[in-house]
Amino acid sequence: GDSVTQMEGPVTLSEEAFLTINCTYTATGYPSLFWYVQYPGEGLQLLLKATKADDKGSNKGFEATYRKETTSFHLEKGSVQVSDSAVYFCALKENDYKLSFGAGTTVTVRA
Amino acid sequence: DAGITQSPRHKVTETGTPVTLRCHQTENHRYMYWYRQDPGHGLRLIHYSYGVKDTDKGEVSDGYSVSRSKTEDFLLTLESATSSQTSVYFCAISGGQGNQPQHFGDGTRLSIL
Repeated sequence: GDSVTQMEGPVTLSEEAFLTINCTYTATGYPSLFWYVQYPGEGLQLLLKATKADDKGSNKGFEATYRKETTSFHLEKGSVQVSDSAVYFCALKENDYKLSFGAGTTVTVRA
Repeated sequence: DAGITQSPRHKVTETGTPVTLRCHQTENHRYMYWYRQDPGHGLRLIHYSYGVKDTDKGEVSDGYSVSRSKTEDFLLTLESATSSQTSVYFCAISGGQGNQPQHFGDGTRLSIL
């Protein structure tokens, strides 16, 4: 079945450092891919999405490119801030209703 | 923000008692979902609904039941709560088409003693 694998955390960075969170997926068809972010004590918020191969999703300085050849959707940000400290989830949606999540990666940014 | 309200936000109860969590939406979305979030497991789907009175099981449905009598409300019931059901529960909604994301509520933290 569909599955998502993302890099294990926790990840600790200094402010203005470069962030990459790896995400790979397994799917039989052509899924849509998402990154969600969860701040402490809150629900998940959609960060960005890509719906077909070579699409690049971007939001709040974060980017991810849908790579069909490597079945990947890695999340990147060039210069992180303390406010980016959160848990990040990669997710895959192959049909109308089911979303498959990775286990989440906890990111802590230190001033 | 998507109009999703979960209630209660926090609950502590005892093993063996029934518990009902409510999810209310104001977006008129077709699909509604219940997930649980546990450390190391990400989010796991418990049940989902694709319309009024239309529901189906997710990957961790044992011990849970759901009902949807109106488009806007989706109830999750633990008939006899167990300590293994201590978790944070999230409701989500979606318009349903393949590239549409799910939008999440703020969660209910449930502790079963």
